[in-house]
Amino acid sequence: GAGVSQTPSNKVTEKGKYVELRCDPISGHTALYWYRQSLGQGPEFLIYFQGTGAADDSGLPNDRFFAVRPEGSVSTLKIQRTERGDSAVYLCASSLSGGYMNTEAFFGQGTRLTVV
Amino acid sequence: GESVGLHLPTLSVQEGDNSIINCAYSNSASDYFIWYKQESGKGPQFIIDIRSNMDKRQGQRVTVLLNKTVKHLSLQIAATQPGDSAVYFCAAHGNGQNFVFGPGTRLSVLP
Repeated sequence: GAGVSQTPSNKVTEKGKYVELRCDPISGHTALYWYRQSLGQGPEFLIYFQGTGAADDSGLPNDRFFAVRPEGSVSTLKIQRTERGDSAVYLCASSLSGGYMNTEAFFGQGTRLTVV
Repeated sequence: GESVGLHLPTLSVQEGDNSIINCAYSNSASDYFIWYKQESGKGPQFIIDIRSNMDKRQGQRVTVLLNKTVKHLSLQIAATQPGDSAVYFCAAHGNGQNFVFGPGTRLSVLP
């Protein structure tokens, strides 16, 4: 597809379970971002990849959160031992290059995670 | 660290009127700002950006104004249309590659 694709669109999981959220960026985009958006709030930065490497993971809230991008394209956000407070929409964005100016980031529609 | 806030969580305007959405940021070192539009069930969509060395930038029906003295940013939408109804976020460049988003303003366009 032409845009950023995130799967699943919705995920309901039980507290304590492990989840994986997938992001397919726009083809050729080297930069990839994960954000988390709680209800009624703006997106909150989690992690940034340039190619295969996590160049900035300063937004990950704790060590239960981990993300990979092994081939520099698809990325997976992994959450261990989920808690109810992890419930949010997880957004992925990609951009053509890593410069933060003048390189428009395109967002996916997000994965709505609900921990019950 | 950087924080970004908005003056009004909701704004209602008549179709055809101009809309002004405001945003305040805390970090005087922020050098780049973006306005995003988010429709229900979708991810944020880039509208317009501005660098800190500018105080105004215009796009199609949209204008962004930056006042670095008071750390204030605004988005003006001319001749607001029903399709403009959405939540609008300002985002300020923080450190590295990340951006700090404000909580958003929900714009409702009345017929």
